[in-house]
This record gives sequence, C-alpha cells and structure tokens, in this order.
Amino acid sequence: DAMVIQNPRYQVTQFGKPVTLSCSQTLNHNVMYWYQQKSSQAPKLLFHYYDKDFNNEADTPDNFQSRRPNTSFCFLDIRSPGLGDAAMYLCATRRGLRDQETQYFGPGTRLLVL
Amino acid sequence: AQSVTQPDIHITVSEGASLELRCNYSYGATPYLFWYVQSPGQGLQLLLKYFSGDTLVQGIKGFEAEFKRSQSSFNLRKPSVHWSDAAEYFCAVGLGGGYNKLIFGAGTRLAVHP
Repeated sequence: DAMVIQNPRYQVTQFGKPVTLSCSQTLNHNVMYWYQQKSSQAPKLLFHYYDKDFNNEADTPDNFQSRRPNTSFCFLDIRSPGLGDAAMYLCATRRGLRDQETQYFGPGTRLLVL
Repeated sequence: AQSVTQPDIHITVSEGASLELRCNYSYGATPYLFWYVQSPGQGLQLLLKYFSGDTLVQGIKGFEAEFKRSQSSFNLRKPSVHWSDAAEYFCAVGLGGGYNKLIFGAGTRLAVHP
C-alpha cells in the first residue's frame, strides 16, 4: 500500500548528540511536512517542502534542520538535542498545493533525550 | 491570529452512547476544517474535512461534523460510540494559500467504558 513511513519508530539519543529522523513516502507527493508534537499537546509545524523548495516556520529553532534529497525521502536533523526536544515527530505529505488536498501523516517517531 | 480551541480535554462515554466533540476556531477568512484521530503511539488519521458546500460533512468510521459559521464551530459527532473509538481527536484549521498550514487544537482524549 502507498503510505508514509517513518524510521525509526522510537529513537533514544543523548543530550547534545546529533540525531536524524527519516521519512519516506510511496505516494509520489510533492509536499512534505515535519511536525513536532510534545506530550499532550497539538502538533506544531516545523517546516515543509514543495519539491526542493524549503520553507521554515519562523519559530522553528535553528537546532532543527531538514534535508530532502529526492521526492521520496525527507530527513529531520537535530544538531544538539536538548531535553526539551523530546517529542513525537510526525511527517506528513500532500500531493500538491491545491487547498483541497489532504495531508497524510506517518506513524511518527518518538524521540527520547537522555 | 488563527487558533483552534477544543474546550474538552478529556471525555468519557459509555459504549453505544452518542458523542459530540467540540471545536471552535478563529480565522478571518473562510476556513478549511479538519478532524483527525490519533490512536496511542500512532500518527494522525483524517476523519473528515470541510472546504465548502454542505455544512454537514460525513467522514469515516461513522463520524460526521457540522460547520456553523455563525458560531465559528465545527463539532464532531457520532451516534453510537464503539470501544475502538477510544483515541485522541484533533480539530484543525487549514490556512490555505498553497501550503495549507494546519493549526491544530490541543486535542480531546476520548475514553469509552464498556
């Protein structure tokens, strides 16, 4: 089935140790999003891509970076994770830029920072 | 500023009972409205969406929602709840304009008693 895949599902890292989260999609969608969802909170958009056109939310910390080497893959890099970065990270895709297009979410990666 | 309010943090209902989850939004333009469901440890699944037209929207799993512009509301309903409906429910408003950034409410956690 076409879908949005996130690996790993659970990631443990140490304070300050760089970590990379992965998202892949078989939907061939042009738009990809990364959201951060802290415990008992709403998902919050970090950034998004239309193809390789990158868009950063104004309040996304510099500690968070993203790469999209091709249509199928998108990575979230956290350069120096802090305890406050422990959260569920959700990847979503969308076929195009028409407002009626739906965002499809992956299962998420839960990040724990020790 | 755009915002979504879900007044109920937790709701508990008995299996077979009816359900209504409340959602109010603040957005200057015509909103694109969504309800997503998140089971524990999982990503977000779209239940239904409203863009225009009929204000009563049917979704998956027997859910429906009604858009009321005068009340800035988009409440989710189900006539008879099943134990498998226990999950967290998020209301969101899409800002349109291409990337259609989603602003989520804080979520309502639903528990179902047998």
